[in-house]
Amino acid sequence: AQSVTQLDSQVPVFEEAPVELRCNYSSSVSVYLFWYVQYPNQGLQLLLKYLSGSTLVESINGFEAEFNKSQTSFHLRKPSVHISDTAEYFCAVSGTGRRALTFGSGTRLQVQP
Amino acid sequence: GAGVSQTPSNKVTEKGKYVELRCDPISGHTALYWYRQSLGQGPEFLIYFQGTGAADDSGLPNDRFFAVRPEGSVSTLKIQRTERGDSAVYLCASSGTGTGGRTDTQYFGPGTRLTVL
Repeated sequence: AQSVTQLDSQVPVFEEAPVELRCNYSSSVSVYLFWYVQYPNQGLQLLLKYLSGSTLVESINGFEAEFNKSQTSFHLRKPSVHISDTAEYFCAVSGTGRRALTFGSGTRLQVQP
Repeated sequence: GAGVSQTPSNKVTEKGKYVELRCDPISGHTALYWYRQSLGQGPEFLIYFQGTGAADDSGLPNDRFFAVRPEGSVSTLKIQRTERGDSAVYLCASSGTGTGGRTDTQYFGPGTRLTVL
């Protein structure tokens, strides 16, 4: 069985400040890890993913996440956020032999001016 | 039409009625997934198709829920004898097959918001 824990349901932050959204997972098999973003009134969009190789993965809009196997974590970070980053962020995991995604409950990032 | 589409966007029904939700995946995607997202929660897996067959239906909550994909493209999620607890946003996603056993990125549709009165 797989599970994902996103401890922070809401993260308020000021514009241009750094942010970290935490994600921890549990799995009995090798994992693939994903961050999806849901902007207001829009569908889920893939932000970044870890399948194998380098444990640090980056998105085109400045987010990055690092796969830490020993801590079973895949935290999402951005050094300087913008108002437009305001959205709900979901961490998800799939694994060897299981293609379905298991999602966390989401973290609402609220960027304030 | 490059993305996953779902119809209707909103569906309001009465308790006990039957509903069908439709998903059109990205052209050429062999894998299709259904998820359900309740308010304030992350999506929960329902069923996964590889081609025409259901490869994993372990997420279907009970036998009132059924899904088909007869020609390996469009899929329909069917809910019988709807209950108020079925109210949620139903999401569809599609992906390619992936290579070397790796999972492939799932692309999500906008969802169908189902409200059971």
